[in-house]
Amino acid sequence: EPEVTQTPSHQVTQMGQEVILRCVPISNHLYFYWYRQILGQKVEFLVSFYNNEISEKSEIFDDQFSVERPDGSNFTLKIRSTKLEDSAMYFCASQRQGRGTGELFFGEGSRLTVL
Amino acid sequence: DAKTTQPNSMESNEEEPVHLPCNHSTISGTDYIHWYRQLPSQGPEYVIHGLTSNVNNRMASLAIAEDRKSSTLILHRATLRDAAVYYCILRDGGSGNTGKLIFGQGTTLQVKP
Repeated sequence: EPEVTQTPSHQVTQMGQEVILRCVPISNHLYFYWYRQILGQKVEFLVSFYNNEISEKSEIFDDQFSVERPDGSNFTLKIRSTKLEDSAMYFCASQRQGRGTGELFFGEGSRLTVL
Repeated sequence: DAKTTQPNSMESNEEEPVHLPCNHSTISGTDYIHWYRQLPSQGPEYVIHGLTSNVNNRMASLAIAEDRKSSTLILHRATLRDAAVYYCILRDGGSGNTGKLIFGQGTTLQVKP
């Protein structure tokens, strides 16, 4: 069964450092998303991406965050200068089509710990 | 985004049916009712979705009220592996929508052996 894969599974970084989280969505999917979940809290939407551009972003997704699909397979989330409060589980998701129909497939997540 | 209301937690015995309720009184005509679950230390996982009619798949059934203001996710025989947080989410099916999911707190289901 096709799946969304994410790397690394866990990354520890120092505050102020840049971090890149990588995702390989399912190959024929067109819509891509990043979510985060701070420990003990709910899953929060960060950004959606379609046709090589951001289609929607939340208030959390400020100038410190960026997304890219550099080579047609990987989908990356970059945090330019990490803060302590960026410590969370980051989930990538993809979907064949947008709108409210269909199924989002989530990866297993990348745990980011900022010291 | 239209809101949903779910109980914080529920308990079930293994191999018994579980009915997880969800209220969504402000649902609009283009909103689909989606259910996802999150097993411990894993990413969310799709369970089922529907618009107006009841739906069945290999994982669960979704019963939607006639006025669409509430729905119930039915797990026919709960197993220990079904212990998870279950999220009831409304997604706008209209054109121009990005298809994002907005998660609430969900219902934490405990399954007792």
